[in-house]
Amino acid sequence: SQTIHQWPATLVQPVGSPLSLECTVEGTSNPNLYWYRQAAGRGLQLLFYSVGIGQISSEVPQNLSASRPQDRQFILSSKKLLLSDSGFYLCAWGTGNSPLHFGNGTRLTVT
Amino acid sequence: EDKVVQSPLSLVVHEGDTVTLNCSYEVTNFRSLLWYKQEKKAPTFLFMLTSSGIEKKSGRLSSILDKKELSSILNITATQTGDSAIYLCAVEAVDDMRFGAGTRLTVKP
Repeated sequence: SQTIHQWPATLVQPVGSPLSLECTVEGTSNPNLYWYRQAAGRGLQLLFYSVGIGQISSEVPQNLSASRPQDRQFILSSKKLLLSDSGFYLCAWGTGNSPLHFGNGTRLTVT
Repeated sequence: EDKVVQSPLSLVVHEGDTVTLNCSYEVTNFRSLLWYKQEKKAPTFLFMLTSSGIEKKSGRLSSILDKKELSSILNITATQTGDSAIYLCAVEAVDDMRFGAGTRLTVKP
């Protein structure tokens, strides 16, 4: 069966520090991978999606970047965090028309 | 372990029918329950429910939370073909968020 792992679950980082959130998927090949940001109690904002290794599409220009070094690995990064980067980040995978499968999320607090 | 279960997994109806989608959960430190409509890459937010027994409505869609039964329903009346989508239920806890597997709704003309 397919599983998705996202870590860390919580993270507190100072302003200006780098960020690396990792997401891996098991049990499926060539999935579409997504990074979302969850606004408090509301909608999901799509940040990045990837349809294959090295293929990254950015939906919202910002202080973040994403990379897909392997088929089932998706990384969300920042060189210098801003206070406004605080939030809840979700990784997800999907294949075409199937329901998205989400990780458990990372709550990032930038201090 | 925290979990969210949606039912049915798929549903096929005809235009004009009324449908009820179910979501049940077992979550520690519950904060809110959210419904989304997934059509493209970013699921569209529908409702956020935090209080039991208060119905939220938006056009033909409505939803209610039952904290005693740890469940929620999403109703769609007078369905249209444009309602065809995957409907996701998510439960937000203090430190994480859990999604159900989704209900695939198909509305036939």
